[in-house]
Amino acid sequence: DAEITQSPRHKITETGRQVTLACHQTWNHNNMFWYRQDLGHGLRLIHYSYGVQDTNKGEVSDGYSVSRSNTEDLPLTLESAASSQTSVYFCASSDGQPTDTQYFGPGTRLTVL
Amino acid sequence: DQQVKQNSPSLSVQEGRISILNCDYTNSMFDYFLWYKKYPAEGPTFLISISSIKDKNEDGRFTVFLNKSAKHLSLHIVPSQPGDSAVYFCAASSGAGSYQLTFGKGTKLSVIP
Repeated sequence: DAEITQSPRHKITETGRQVTLACHQTWNHNNMFWYRQDLGHGLRLIHYSYGVQDTNKGEVSDGYSVSRSNTEDLPLTLESAASSQTSVYFCASSDGQPTDTQYFGPGTRLTVL
Repeated sequence: DQQVKQNSPSLSVQEGRISILNCDYTNSMFDYFLWYKKYPAEGPTFLISISSIKDKNEDGRFTVFLNKSAKHLSLHIVPSQPGDSAVYFCAASSGAGSYQLTFGKGTKLSVIP
């Protein structure tokens, strides 16, 4: 069955370290998204991609970067982790139409000490 | 400024009764609305959606109502079941070709047996 996976599921890191969160989908979807979920904020869009080599900034992109070298993967990199980036991160993907459902991964809980 | 608002952080309902979750939005450009359901330690899953050309959409026990003049939508669950206990997120998107979703903060529904 097609799915979307995230790894690791849990990560503890130190302030200033570079961290990369993986997202892999097997639906062959063009669109991929990264969100963060924080108490009192719901889900906020970090970065998104509409296809290979395409990346765009979302609402809360500062301190994050993404790259899209193939259809299946959209890794999220925290260049220099900060305590404010402690959060739960969700990856999502959707097909070619704006109204197509976004399918979410199980999430990665990141703690920055 | 929050464009999608869920003003009730939590809601408790007796099993078998109706659950009504509310959502307000401020951006007049939003033309597509969705509800996602989220269990702890899992990613959000799509529940139901509605286009701005409709005022009601029904799927089994779930119905979404849209009042464009009031910029308000609601999700009705009838009858409520204990398995419906989860956090419900309202989301919206705007404009043809826009794949980006703006989420509310969520409402935690507890269905009491």
